[in-house]
Amino acid sequence: QSVLTQPPSVSAAPGQKVIISCSGSSSNIGNNYVFWYQQLPGAAPKLLIYENNKRPSGIPDRFSGSKSGTSATLGITGLQTGDEADYYCGTWDSSLSAYVFGSGTQVTVL
Amino acid sequence: QVQLVQSGAEVQKPGASVKVSCKASGYTFTTYALHWVRQAPGQSLEWMGWINAGNGNTKFSQMFQDRVTITRDTSASTAYMELSSLRSEDTAMYYCARGNLRSQMDVWGKGTTVTVSS
Repeated sequence: QSVLTQPPSVSAAPGQKVIISCSGSSSNIGNNYVFWYQQLPGAAPKLLIYENNKRPSGIPDRFSGSKSGTSATLGITGLQTGDEADYYCGTWDSSLSAYVFGSGTQVTVL
Repeated sequence: QVQLVQSGAEVQKPGASVKVSCKASGYTFTTYALHWVRQAPGQSLEWMGWINAGNGNTKFSQMFQDRVTITRDTSASTAYMELSSLRSEDTAMYYCARGNLRSQMDVWGKGTTVTVSS
């Protein structure tokens, strides 16, 4: 059972927007940066968002991140078929003294 | 470009050990740390541990503390993860990823499949 809770799946039509939530606690999200990773089918994870809301070079601004209290969200606008993937949130957990990941959310483009 | 190249797939018997390597290129090896993360089939990501490539300091998840060893060879720009006392539940894809301890993992290896089967 993952320390961070994500919805198992979200879906929307091409061009639409999806929001993925990541719920944690004060020992993880509440006091540490949140990161988001995209894992395309059969591939390794890829960093999408770091330090709650920053995008690495090469990540389009269709992807955005935010954090409030003990929760974080990843937004994807202008949904494309190439966005079909699993998305994971991650952060440091100060109580566990370990890096923790969410349960993962599968994005489907209808 | 920055790359992490991992060793090939492994098949091991229960009770055995496996050692996976992760060779870094395109950056100064000792200025970054490396994480090891595994993913069982159809499951989420699971952090195993981390090594500071500069000074060799390590930190492990309590889940693996007794069974995992992470080392590095700075002359070869390579990190190693050894998991002992393998059981069927250790069948998974094992990834190395560059990143400081509480920070983002910004570059990932392609993964090494480890299968534990009698």
